[in-house]
Amino acid sequence: AQSVTQLGSHVSVSEGALVLLRCNYSSSVPPYLFWYVQYPNQGLQLLLKYTTGATLVKGINGFEAEFKKSETSFHLTKPSAHMSDAAEYFCAVRRVQGAQKLVFGQGTRLTINP
Amino acid sequence: EAGVTQFPSHSVIEKGQTVTLRCDPISGHDNLYWYRRVMGKEIKFLLHFVKESKQDESGMPNNRFLAERTGGTYSTLKVQPAELEDSGVYFCASSQDLRDTQYFGPGTRLTVL
Repeated sequence: AQSVTQLGSHVSVSEGALVLLRCNYSSSVPPYLFWYVQYPNQGLQLLLKYTTGATLVKGINGFEAEFKKSETSFHLTKPSAHMSDAAEYFCAVRRVQGAQKLVFGQGTRLTINP
Repeated sequence: EAGVTQFPSHSVIEKGQTVTLRCDPISGHDNLYWYRRVMGKEIKFLLHFVKESKQDESGMPNNRFLAERTGGTYSTLKVQPAELEDSGVYFCASSQDLRDTQYFGPGTRLTVL
């Protein structure tokens, strides 16, 4: 069975500082990987995804993530945090073949300090 | 293009009552998914429709939950009778093809008192 672990349910950084949100997965075969973001009072929005090809994936709003197969990780980073980045972030995996349901991590709430 | 819409945005009901949640997917999307997030837990899959057929309902918690997608357009999720542990946010998502990105609606927050 697939599972996702996000280290840290709450992360706080200063405006302008590096954002690093950690995601590790467990899967018998490398899955597709996703980061979704939920801003206050909104639905989930896709930030970026890895399916095939380049392991460093760039998403919206300056975020990027790197798929590291050897570490079973897909950490999300942004070089310089902005106040508007305050939201809850979800890492998710999905099988390449078979069932297409997303399996989510517990979520990480990101707070930006001025 | 309109996104995934869900109705109502909030629902507060008494234990034992019935509630029906509705999801309108993006037009032309054959795949429709329901997910749920119970307070403090991760978002969990409930079921997956391909058009009007249930492709995967492995996440449905029990027979108090009934999902339908008549005509392959909008979907409803009925909870009858509701229990306290059903409280949470119910998300709907849709995708055009099976392996396409799933686009999520804003969710319905259900509170069972």
